[in-house]
Amino acid sequence: DVKVTQSSRYLVKRTGEKVFLECVQDMDHENMFWYRQDPGLGLRLIYFSYDVKMKEKGDIPEGYSVSREKKERFSLILESASTNQTSMYLCASSLVTGADNSPLHFGNGTRLTVT
Amino acid sequence: KNQVEQSPQSLIILEGKNCTLQCNYTVSPFSNLRWYKQDTGRGPVSLTIMTFSENTKSNGRYTATLDADTKQSSLHITASQLSDSASYICVVSGENAGNMLTFGGGTRLMVKP
Repeated sequence: DVKVTQSSRYLVKRTGEKVFLECVQDMDHENMFWYRQDPGLGLRLIYFSYDVKMKEKGDIPEGYSVSREKKERFSLILESASTNQTSMYLCASSLVTGADNSPLHFGNGTRLTVT
Repeated sequence: KNQVEQSPQSLIILEGKNCTLQCNYTVSPFSNLRWYKQDTGRGPVSLTIMTFSENTKSNGRYTATLDADTKQSSLHITASQLSDSASYICVVSGENAGNMLTFGGGTRLMVKP
């Protein structure tokens, strides 16, 4: 079974802090994704990566950056946290792109609160 | 603009009853549609996938349908159980470059004893 592990379930950070959210998958998946999930807005794609050191912007990349130095690890970075980044953050991985019928495998999420 | 709309937003049913969740989409060209179940405090998990040529697919008590002409899908849950309480998310994949996914807002289902 694919396992996607997010390092923290809950985080509380102050405005202006630099925040790192870590995600590790154990199935050698090429693709990794970061989403945020907000009530009424569904899941929105922040960044994704098709390979090591590759990254692509999603729908809402502003205020975020990512790092993928190893295939199994995909990090989301909030350079200077703001209160509007309070959200549930979900990491996902997949073997190939969604259109090729491979499902996304999600971690259990990190609930980030920025005060 | 690609969109996926789900209805109802929330639903409460009694244990043992059936229910149907709806998903309408405008994604074109269409590749596939997937239903995910998200338990509280967990990440979404894939239930089933529908491709263009499939009309109906079952996974235990879950049955998904797809009408590619009207761009509608439904998820029918039979003989609901308390463990069915969750959010159900419809995700549509297009055939555009990059194969981006479009997520619905989800239906929150609560099954009461």
